[in-house]
Amino acid sequence: AQSVAQPEDQVNVAEGNPLTVKCTYSVSGNPYLFWYVQYPNRGLQFLLKYITGDNLVKGSYGFEAEFNKSQTSFHLKKPSALVSDSALYFCAVRATSGGSYIPTFGRGTSLIVHP
Amino acid sequence: EAQVTQNPRYLITVTGKKLTVTCSQNMNHEYMSWYRQDPGLGLRQIYYSMNVEVTDKGDVPEGYKVSRKEKRNFPLILESPSPNQTSLYFCASSSPGLGDTQYFGPGTRLTVL
Repeated sequence: AQSVAQPEDQVNVAEGNPLTVKCTYSVSGNPYLFWYVQYPNRGLQFLLKYITGDNLVKGSYGFEAEFNKSQTSFHLKKPSALVSDSALYFCAVRATSGGSYIPTFGRGTSLIVHP
Repeated sequence: EAQVTQNPRYLITVTGKKLTVTCSQNMNHEYMSWYRQDPGLGLRQIYYSMNVEVTDKGDVPEGYKVSRKEKRNFPLILESPSPNQTSLYFCASSSPGLGDTQYFGPGTRLTVL
């Protein structure tokens, strides 16, 4: 079975400060890892993914995430937050082999960036 | 434009009245899935399909049915809706391969009275 934990329901950060949204995962074998963002009244949009290779993945809107195999984590980061980054963020995982090949999502973390 | 469409976007219905939410994608994706989103529970998978005529249960399949007769369509059927199925529903599609990305529809907000 595969699962994702996003330990924080909400993250608050001031505009211009760095932000981190945490994600840990559990999966048999090697993972594919994803981050998606949901703006109010919208569907989910893809941000970035880890498949293999470099542990630091860069994605849309200046976001990046670091894959840490030993800690089974895939935290989302951005060096300087914008008010427009305020949204709901979802981490997702799926196994690279076996299983349903459909990702399992975390509960989501609400990011609030204060002016 | 590559997209996933869902209809209707909003629906208010009554307990027991059968309904269907349609989902269609124009990207020739093999994989399609349905999720429901509830406050505090995040996204939970209802059903998924890995190809035509191949469907399987997700984490919360009770009270739902799906079919995949064509590659582009994956309707979600509620035979006898109940108030606990009031939720925001998302359809998604993806293609197998290296780290397939899911494309989501705009969502259907369903209220069952």
